Amino acid sequence: EVQLVQSGAEVKKPGESLKISCKGSGYSFTTYWIGWVRQMPGKGLQWMGIIYPGDSETRYTPSFQGQVTISADNSISTAYLHWSSLKASDTAMYYCARLSSRYEDAFDIWGQGTMVTVSS
Amino acid sequence: EIVLTQSPGTLSLSPGERATLSCRASQSFSRSYLAWYQQKPGQAPRLLIYGASSRATGIPDRFSGSGSGTDFTLTISRLDPEDFAVYYCQQYGAFGQGTKLEIK
Repeated sequence: EVQLVQSGAEVKKPGESLKISCKGSGYSFTTYWIGWVRQMPGKGLQWMGIIYPGDSETRYTPSFQGQVTISADNSISTAYLHWSSLKASDTAMYYCARLSSRYEDAFDIWGQGTMVTVSS
Repeated sequence: EIVLTQSPGTLSLSPGERATLSCRASQSFSRSYLAWYQQKPGQAPRLLIYGASSRATGIPDRFSGSGSGTDFTLTISRLDPEDFAVYYCQQYGAFGQGTKLEIK
């Protein structure tokens, strides 16, 4: 079964760092782009950025450039989303998803989501 | 940066009725790489339509997509109670703001 499994919910304080993870299985991890999508409470989906694990090429949308870092570790088929200094406004659900060229640049497989809460 | 605008924001219909959701892109691409997703409360989004008009695996044929250039449509021919959810369109780099389909 093709799946993405994300790390568990996090509660952090402003200024702290955080790295959440997304582990792929059931397919060739290095040959599909992985994207990260933010969903703030009660709001819509926001495309943050994508990574190609095969060569670590990373692309961010302007709103998220410099705010987060996307990386991958091919040895364990895992992608990451990292913050160096969290803000209260980073409170959201974060999804990873597989971008499929077979589905013409659509996200065909989604993780279950990681809820990040930032509060003093 | 592409911007996708969905309309209406909320659509109130009854089971068995036809739903028509729209998505307009701020710029046109030569290939219609437009996708539609369904999201229910507490769940991750699910891919419904890709390439503007192709149904993803396992999606019922009451869901159909159409359009090209900058104007795209998702149609649900006969609403089932399980279809009431939020729907998003997506192109590379962006999502629309969503249309909430609610029971009238």
